[in-house]
Amino acid sequence: GIQVEQSPPDLILQEGANSTLRCNFSDSVNNLQWFHQNPWGQLINLFYIPSGTKQNGRLSATTVATERYSLLYISSSQTTDSGVYFCAVGDSSYKLIFGSGTRLLVRP
Amino acid sequence: DAGITQSPRHKVTETGTPVTLRCHQTENHRYMYWYRQDPGHGLRLIHYSYGVKDTDKGEVSDGYSVSRSKTEDFLLTLESATSSQTSVYFCAISEGRTGELFFGEGSRLTVL
Repeated sequence: GIQVEQSPPDLILQEGANSTLRCNFSDSVNNLQWFHQNPWGQLINLFYIPSGTKQNGRLSATTVATERYSLLYISSSQTTDSGVYFCAVGDSSYKLIFGSGTRLLVRP
Repeated sequence: DAGITQSPRHKVTETGTPVTLRCHQTENHRYMYWYRQDPGHGLRLIHYSYGVKDTDKGEVSDGYSVSRSKTEDFLLTLESATSSQTSVYFCAISEGRTGELFFGEGSRLTVL
């Protein structure tokens, strides 16, 4: 099956800093999504991005499907950005495979 | 926010007892999923449904069964709970087969 690898596993930032999270996957996908799990455990859908670039406020994401990676950019980070960021990918099936996540801590 | 409600949100039970978790959606989405989240294992798919009475197994389906008699409800049943089923369970929905996935708030189950 598809393998998903996220990096870095842990990241500590000072408020206001920018960061880039990476998701590598081992095979062709037609579904790629980024999620944020906040410290209270809620899973929030950030982007549905099997290819191309999208932006939503301070967050943006780019997927280069031909090179099998996706990047999540967080600019001007805030303490509320803390949590775990998951990348999930899928092929032609219904099933999404989740990466192990990047744990982000933004310090005030 | 997607209209997804999970119940109960917290449950403590004893080994060998049956447990049913309920997921209710108000979005009329065709696809519904049950995931479990465990430290060191991330999110893993238990079962999913692609329509009323249409369900299939995910990667960790042993010990679990599901039912979907209405579009809006997807039930996850542990016939005889074991300590290894202590976990946080998330329901999710999507409109299309490869569409955006939206999660419920999770149900924390502890099996003593």
